[in-house]
Amino acid sequence: DTAVSQTPKYLVTQMGNDKSIKCEQNLGHDTMYWYKQDSKKFLKIMFSYNNKELIINETVPNRFSPKSPDKAHLNLHINSLELGDSAVYFCASSQGVNYGYTFGSGTRLTVV
Amino acid sequence: GENVEQHPSTLSVQEGDSAVIKCTYSDSASNYFPWYKQELGKRPQLIIDIRSNVGEKKDQRIAVTLNKTAKHFSLHITETQPEDSAVYFCAASISNTGKLIFGQGTTLQVKP
Repeated sequence: DTAVSQTPKYLVTQMGNDKSIKCEQNLGHDTMYWYKQDSKKFLKIMFSYNNKELIINETVPNRFSPKSPDKAHLNLHINSLELGDSAVYFCASSQGVNYGYTFGSGTRLTVV
Repeated sequence: GENVEQHPSTLSVQEGDSAVIKCTYSDSASNYFPWYKQELGKRPQLIIDIRSNVGEKKDQRIAVTLNKTAKHFSLHITETQPEDSAVYFCAASISNTGKLIFGQGTTLQVKP
């Protein structure tokens, strides 16, 4: 029973398209995150939600819009995809401040 | 600003030797420091963490030390095995946001 699941695992799409990534956690955690891992493996936070409320919004282009319909789900919609958006996107959840994250398996997005 | 520096970027050791990875952080209010292991193509997984009220923590072959005065923490792996080969990330919490800032990662190679 996967704790944090993301779909799809791989996404190949053309520049200019719009795509969504879905994330679900069954750990009962209140807080969920989106991180981007670039080609150099650097992990950078994008967004964080606590019980459906946006609490962290880093310097991310407006083309990226997260949505949390309930505390177990956090989706990421990306408009007008660009080549530079190619990366692995990880969803994560935690039980609160100063607790470790449980990461999803990642979505490898390739924009061609 | 919020920053975590991690060294070295690559580390190669012989099986059975010890490995040490070091991190420094900038936010003096940071009080939670997890370490993650990421195998090729997989998700980062929490391997050990330490909170600011503790100077050292050990779990079998891995240990973490924290020096709050110097804003420095380290991961120690003893008796390394080939399956320890992976990318290791340190991270530091930012105040009470739940946000983790990650180091740049260390690629550890354990040669049999």
